[in-house]
Amino acid sequence: SQQGEEDPQALSIQEGENATMNCSYKTSINNLQWYRQNSGRGLVHLILIRSNEREKHSGRLRVTLDTSKKSSSLLITASRAADTASYFCATEGDSSYKLIFGSGTRLLVRP
Amino acid sequence: GAGVSQSPRYKVAKRGQDVALRCDPISGHVSLFWYQQALGQGPEFLTYFQNEAQLDKSGLPSDRFFAERPEGSVSTLKIQRTQQEDSAVYLCASSAGVSIGANVLTFGAGSRLTVL
Repeated sequence: SQQGEEDPQALSIQEGENATMNCSYKTSINNLQWYRQNSGRGLVHLILIRSNEREKHSGRLRVTLDTSKKSSSLLITASRAADTASYFCATEGDSSYKLIFGSGTRLLVRP
Repeated sequence: GAGVSQSPRYKVAKRGQDVALRCDPISGHVSLFWYQQALGQGPEFLTYFQNEAQLDKSGLPSDRFFAERPEGSVSTLKIQRTQQEDSAVYLCASSAGVSIGANVLTFGAGSRLTVL
C-alpha cells in the first residue's frame, strides 16, 4: 500500500521552464521527503520538510507542505536536461523507520 | 565505503532457481532496508534491520523471501524457488538511525532480477 500519491504521473517540459509536482498523503506525518531516481539507478534524497514547516528551499528546489490538505509540492525552477528523472515523495508509514513511497512523477526535460 | 553497494546489478534466473542479492551499506550505518520496485512504480518496503536484528519483515511477499544481516553490516536477500512475479529491482538502503528524528535513506543502485 502506498501512503503518498504524486501527480502528474508524467510531465514533459522545455529546458528553462519550471516543473511542479504534487504529492498527497493519507495520515498525519512528522515529516515528508522527496527523492529523485535517474533511470537504472537508486533513489537520491533531495529534501526533507518537517510537519511544522510550510516551505523549504534548496538550490533550485522549493518544497511546500500543507498539513491541513495533506499535500506537498516540489517545484524545480529553471529546469535542465539533467533534471530528467522520476521524483518520489515519501512519508512515514505505521512506524517511524518505514518510509512509504508514492508511485512517482516521471519528468522529462527537453533540451 | 562511500555509498551503498549492491551486487549483482543484474540477475537472470530460471523459474524455480534460488537467488541471493547482496547489500553492503555505508560503514557505521545502523539501519538497513530492503525495498522492491516494480517497473514504473515506487519502491515497496520489504524488511528492516537495526544492526543484526531484523525488526520488521512485514513487507516480505511470501516465505520464499528471506533476509539476513548476521554481523550487522552486509545483508543478503534470498529468494527461493523464484517466480516470474518476483521480477523487479531490489533496492537496499541504509541510514544512520531512526532515533535522530528523521529517517533519511541512502540507496544503492539496485539489483535487477529477471525471472524467465
